[in-house]
Amino acid sequence: AQRVTQPEKLLSVFKGAPVELKCNYSYSGSPELFWYVQYSRQRLQLLLRHISRESIKGFTADLNKGETSFHLKKPFAQEEDSAMYYCAPWEAGNMLTFGGGTRLMVKP
Amino acid sequence: ETGVTQTPRHLVMGMTNKKSLKCEQHLGHNAMYWYKQSAKKPLELMFVYSLEERVENNSVPSRFSPECPNSSHLFLHLHTLQPEDSALYLCASSQEPGGGAAYGYTFGSGTRLTVV
Repeated sequence: AQRVTQPEKLLSVFKGAPVELKCNYSYSGSPELFWYVQYSRQRLQLLLRHISRESIKGFTADLNKGETSFHLKKPFAQEEDSAMYYCAPWEAGNMLTFGGGTRLMVKP
Repeated sequence: ETGVTQTPRHLVMGMTNKKSLKCEQHLGHNAMYWYKQSAKKPLELMFVYSLEERVENNSVPSRFSPECPNSSHLFLHLHTLQPEDSALYLCASSQEPGGGAAYGYTFGSGTRLTVV
């Protein structure tokens, strides 16, 4: 069965510290992967997608097919990064599946 | 307004009331979705419409009734709700059902529903 797991519900770091939000998936095929972010009082929005190999707001995500992971990383966290982050795999013929989310709190 | 627009932003209703949530997208997308977001289940898919036809219904209680009159509009009709239905209801759209490899979903700002 398709499953996506974000093991940490809450991640708290100090400003300037590195941050890694974990995402593990269990799919029979090779899904495409997305990270979505929801800032306080804002809509859920696409942060980055694996297919684009992009870096957005200093965040990157590396797909590790061996470990079936797509962890989101940023070397130096900023206070404005505080938000809810969702990992979302997608496979052709299916709906986008969202993980349970990780709340990132960046303390000053 | 471009993107996905949801109205109202906030709604308080009694358990015997009937109300409707509205979602509108101006992106030319062919699929629309309703999600429920709460502390217990952060993102819970409720309904999926593709080209105005319902393609998925994740065992949602009948007190929630969706309607998709055309590819740009989606409604969620509510009646005899329970306090546990209080949540943020999100509408989303995508170019194709499921989102696609490159595009994912575009979300609205949501309707904060409180059932009293």
